[in-house]
Amino acid sequence: DVQLVESGGGLVQPGGSLRLSCAVSGFTFSNYEMNWVRQVPGKGLEWVSYISSIGRTIHYADSVKGRFTISRDDAKNSLYLQMKSLRAEDTAVYYCARDLPGGDYEFDHWGQGTLVTVSS
Amino acid sequence: SYELTQAPSASVSPGQTAFISCSGDKLGDKYVAWYQQQPGQSPVLVIYQDNKRPSGIPERFSGSNSGNTATLTISGTQAMDEADYYCQAWGSSTVVFGGGTKLNVL
Repeated sequence: DVQLVESGGGLVQPGGSLRLSCAVSGFTFSNYEMNWVRQVPGKGLEWVSYISSIGRTIHYADSVKGRFTISRDDAKNSLYLQMKSLRAEDTAVYYCARDLPGGDYEFDHWGQGTLVTVSS
Repeated sequence: SYELTQAPSASVSPGQTAFISCSGDKLGDKYVAWYQQQPGQSPVLVIYQDNKRPSGIPERFSGSNSGNTATLTISGTQAMDEADYYCQAWGSSTVVFGGGTKLNVL
């Protein structure tokens, strides 16, 4: 079974940093594009970042560009999101999501999410 | 930046057909996906590439996309279909989600 398990969330002060991880299993990770999507509790979904297989292509939402960095380690079957200069508005549940094979940025598997709270 | 617009809520009686729409400029030129999210759960892909169903998604879920509007149709709506539904498309090097529609099955 395909599994995506996020970790690394928690409480951080404004201006602080946090690194999220997403451990995957049940599929050949290196073959898939991956994404981070976030959701403020009670609100809608917001896409955060995309990384292609091999990591050659990366995209970010304007709201996080220059502050967040997506990366992957295919040997460890893991996706990461390094977050810096965190703001209160970055408070959300962060999901990792797998692209459909050969799909157009459509996400067929999601993790359970990890909550990031930015507050003093 | 590209935007997708959804009505905040919709209502349907059990057994009837629910229509959830999503609008965006020339949306018909893009692929649209739809996600269902139950309270406290992660989103689930129910339609991709406008009208394709992933394995395991019931046939009562269907989609269409033309002009400026994409539509998710749920035929024979069941109580279990009560959830939030989000449309999503790719445009201008970003993934965009609609604001979501809460479907009430009354």
